[in-house]
Amino acid sequence: EAGVAQSPRYKIIEKRQSVAFWCNPISGHATLYWYQQILGQGPKLLIQFQNNGVVDDSQLPKDRFSAERLKGVDSTLKIQPAKLEDSAVYLCASSLAQFNEQFFGPGTRLTVL
Amino acid sequence: EDQVTQSPEALRLQEGESSSLNCSYTVSGLRGLFWYRQDPGKGPEFLFTLYSAGEEKEKERLKATLTKKESFLHITAPKPEDSATYLCAVQARVSGGGADGLTFGKGTHLIIQP
Repeated sequence: EAGVAQSPRYKIIEKRQSVAFWCNPISGHATLYWYQQILGQGPKLLIQFQNNGVVDDSQLPKDRFSAERLKGVDSTLKIQPAKLEDSAVYLCASSLAQFNEQFFGPGTRLTVL
Repeated sequence: EDQVTQSPEALRLQEGESSSLNCSYTVSGLRGLFWYRQDPGKGPEFLFTLYSAGEEKEKERLKATLTKKESFLHITAPKPEDSATYLCAVQARVSGGGADGLTFGKGTHLIIQP
């Protein structure tokens, strides 16, 4: 069974630029999550989708971050404009349904200069 | 607000030297406690879910236990390949909405020396 796919794996941008990350969950997984992991910290939930609807985006900085999952499969997370403090690994996870185990992708490491 | 505290932050053991990692938590209502392993440059890898106090789960050299306030990850006779960061996370019991995101601790960085 293929795991969660993410791209790109690495991205370096200047502050105030925009960036987008892509995630393809495990086939058949209805629930998709985006987490932010700052160096030395545990992952922090940004947003949760159930199919193509948002379940929880309470910790998403909505002035600069946006995410969508239009067809209920893959998802994109965008940052516009980026700040230095956005430097982190952005992890995508999926689960078969709500309240099941979450499986993580390899992450996208973002460096903002 | 849900909180997870892991200790120690780092632990260095000799191969074969058993030890335990601690995860203390406060949560409005615990639905599940999760343990993940994270290798450098990779995403967290699922290990265990525990749902109620007294529950135990085992996998190879790892055993996870749960009480009402904390969880332990016991590692028996570890090998160098067990070196990784071990993350603990809680999932709160919520009414309606279905939000089930995990609240993670900072992790314990475990090094097993040959």
